[in-house]
Amino acid sequence: DQQVKQNSPSLSVQEGRISILNCDYTNSMFDYFLWYKKYPAEGPTFLISISSIKDKNEDGRFTVFLNKSAKHLSLHIVPSQPGDSAVYFCANGGGSNYKLTFGKGTLLTVNP
Amino acid sequence: GAGVSQSPRYKVAKRGQDVALRCDPISGHVSLFWYQQALGQGPEFLTYFQNEAQLDKSGLPSDRFFAERPEGSVSTLKIQRTQQEDSAVYLCASRQYRTGEAFFGQGTRLTVV
Repeated sequence: DQQVKQNSPSLSVQEGRISILNCDYTNSMFDYFLWYKKYPAEGPTFLISISSIKDKNEDGRFTVFLNKSAKHLSLHIVPSQPGDSAVYFCANGGGSNYKLTFGKGTLLTVNP
Repeated sequence: GAGVSQSPRYKVAKRGQDVALRCDPISGHVSLFWYQQALGQGPEFLTYFQNEAQLDKSGLPSDRFFAERPEGSVSTLKIQRTQQEDSAVYLCASRQYRTGEAFFGQGTRLTVV
């Protein structure tokens, strides 16, 4: 089975600086990951994904890095903006029926 | 519709009452998921449909939980004899194929009193 762990419940950064959100996983067979962003009272929205054939994927201010040997991935947001303040979930998209397995989330606060 | 729609947005149920939560996925999406999100936790998988077939219900916490998608489109999650521990946000997500990103609805917040 797959476990996805986000060990930092919260992160606070200054506007314009880099935000780095981390995620660890246990099962190397399922090397497809997604990041979701969630505002209060809304459902999670897809942000960016990465598969095992890559070690980096970039989309505008968002970059995800995958370190397969360490079973670790990270999301970088540069530059951070106050509107980025939300809960970020790391999710694994592998496994049976390709269901998404989520971490507990990290609350990012970007201060003006 | 433009996105995944869930209704009702909020539901308060008395303990022991039956509830039904509705999900309208994005038109044409093959895959449909239900998740349960408790306060301060990530979404936890409940069940998965591919078209009308329920291929995985391993996450349903008890036999009081039942889900269906009879025509491969709209889905209903039913909870019988609700208990306080059922209080959570129930999220529905759909995906165009078997893989790729999933699109979530806004969720139904269920409070059992």
